Amino acid sequence: EVQLEESGGGLVQPGGSLRLSCAASEFSLSPYWMHWVRQVPGKGPVWVSRISNDASTTSYADSVRGRFTISRDNAENSVFLQMNSLRGEDTAVYYCARGGPKGFDIWGQGTVVTVSS
Amino acid sequence: DIQMTQSPSSLSASVGDSVTITCRASQTISSYLQWYQQKPGRAPKLLIYGATSLESGVPSRFSGGGYATDFTLTISSLQPEDFATYYCQQSYSTPFTFGPGTKVDIK
Repeated sequence: EVQLEESGGGLVQPGGSLRLSCAASEFSLSPYWMHWVRQVPGKGPVWVSRISNDASTTSYADSVRGRFTISRDNAENSVFLQMNSLRGEDTAVYYCARGGPKGFDIWGQGTVVTVSS
Repeated sequence: DIQMTQSPSSLSASVGDSVTITCRASQTISSYLQWYQQKPGRAPKLLIYGATSLESGVPSRFSGGGYATDFTLTISSLQPEDFATYYCQQSYSTPFTFGPGTKVDIK
């Protein structure tokens, strides 16, 4: 089954760092732009970042620019989100999603990030 | 940033009813509009892309319409598994923004 699986979430203190990973199964990530989207329970999803298929282009939401870094390793069939200087408002479920002409057509199950002292 | 609004924010309907959800963009987005369904504890699921195209495997009772700034999602003959929250999302320009959601529950 075609799927994405996130990992790396957890509890971290304000100012701390986490690195999220997203691994693809049963398909190759290499042709696709990949995205991270986050969602606070009870609220709508919020787009966080994207990376082009060849990693030459990245984009970020204003709220995370300068603190988060998206990257990918096509050989490992994975995408990553390095999150530094974490704040309470970064607490959310983080999803990776495959992008393309159809929007976000495949999503992972999400990984929970909690920023709290 | 392009702002997305949805109406209503919630609705109650019965199995078999037809319902329509509206999404409006703060500026023209052509047909770069998707609809997603989300159930509690699950990731969003793509239903409609390009404003009107049905994603593979999605029942034909779901349909999308609209262009530029005004869009609709219609569910004809609601089924028990359709009770969920629905989000629109624009992919015209970053940041790719989502609407606030419409919760469809059982009357």
